[in-house]
Amino acid sequence: AQSVTQLGSHVSVSEGALVLLRCNYSSSVPPYLFWYVQYPNQGLQLLLKYTTGATLVKGINGFEAEFKKSETSFHLTKPSAHMSDAAEYFCAVNNQGGKLIFGQGTELSVKP
Amino acid sequence: SQTIHQWPATLVQPVGSPLSLECTVEGTSNPNLYWYRQAAGRGLQLLFYSVGIGQISSEVPQNLSASRPQDRQFILSSKKLLLSDSGFYLCAWNTGRLAGGEAFFGQGTRLTVV
Repeated sequence: AQSVTQLGSHVSVSEGALVLLRCNYSSSVPPYLFWYVQYPNQGLQLLLKYTTGATLVKGINGFEAEFKKSETSFHLTKPSAHMSDAAEYFCAVNNQGGKLIFGQGTELSVKP
Repeated sequence: SQTIHQWPATLVQPVGSPLSLECTVEGTSNPNLYWYRQAAGRGLQLLFYSVGIGQISSEVPQNLSASRPQDRQFILSSKKLLLSDSGFYLCAWNTGRLAGGEAFFGQGTRLTVV
């Protein structure tokens, strides 16, 4: 069975600081991995995805994530946080049947 | 291009009343369809998913049901709402791994049961 674990339900950083949101997964098949962002009272928006190929993937708004098979991880990073990055972030894995399983989410706060 | 419509945006219902939330997708055929729920301070819980008309998989036993009467229509229902049914409900679709696998979400319905 597939599962996703996001370490830290709340992360707080200062504006301009590095953002690191952690995600570990388990999957019995080569995973497709995703990061989504959710602003209050809105649906989820895709930030980036990994399917095959290059393990470092770049997404929108300056975010990137690296797929590390040996660590079963797909951590999300951004070199310099912006106030507008404050939101909830979800990591997800897609199993062979196409069903998308999400982690519990990490709320990112950005302090001025 | 594909779009997903979900309505209503907000809903306040008394305990014991019925529920019907509707979701439709445009611009694609034979999508996988999903209903997720977010309770306050919690993550996304997959409630139902469907790979075709009349094919519904329930992930969590509960007070809700889902139906897919048409290829691009997905309905979430309840005969009698409970207080614990309050939450933010999200409909989503994808076309499976062969097409990249990512899901696209509606704007959500905020349901408050009073």
